[in-house]
Amino acid sequence: GGIITQTPKFLIGQEGQKLTLKCQQNFNHDTMYWYRQDSGKGLRLIYYSITENDLQKGDLSEGYDASREKKSSFSLTVTSAQKNEMAVFLCASSITRANTEVFFGKGTRLTVV
Amino acid sequence: EQQVQQSPASLVLQEAENAELQCSFSIFTNQVQWFYQRPGGRLVSLLYNPSGTKQSGRLTSTTVIKERRSSLHISSSQITDSGTYLCAIDNYQLIWGSGTKLIIKP
Repeated sequence: GGIITQTPKFLIGQEGQKLTLKCQQNFNHDTMYWYRQDSGKGLRLIYYSITENDLQKGDLSEGYDASREKKSSFSLTVTSAQKNEMAVFLCASSITRANTEVFFGKGTRLTVV
Repeated sequence: EQQVQQSPASLVLQEAENAELQCSFSIFTNQVQWFYQRPGGRLVSLLYNPSGTKQSGRLTSTTVIKERRSSLHISSSQITDSGTYLCAIDNYQLIWGSGTKLIIKP
């Protein structure tokens, strides 16, 4: 079995600050995802990547950048943190883009002060 | 309108009772995946069910694609089953329901 590791587990930033979240997977999966989870709401897709150096925007990509420099890692940058962005950010991976089981990391909880 | 609906939103049961969670979707899919999440915990994949019935231990998922619904049955519930159960459908991206919060009381 594999594992998805997200760092940091907790991230506290200042409003307007640029913040980076990191994700590593050792499944050797091609596809990786970043989701945002807000309390009481379903998950929303921010970015996904189907292979190294590929980036695809999800429904919630505005205000975020992503980077997939290696197959095993996928980072997400909040370009200018806003107070209404306090949420949990979840990284996930799957073998391929569709019709396949998706596995998740434990998440990074972002607090903006 | 939410494309994936889960019901009930919350469910309180006594230990050892059976739980039935529902997921319905308004768009086409050929894959349904059920996840579990404890507060502050990781999203754990429970069952990945293209169609028909799939079982894992005390969990049984039944998906009827043409009727656009899936259910998750938890038999002989335990206190440790408490948490949020999320249904997601695959439509070239995972589309999520809002979850069912399950509380199992002793």
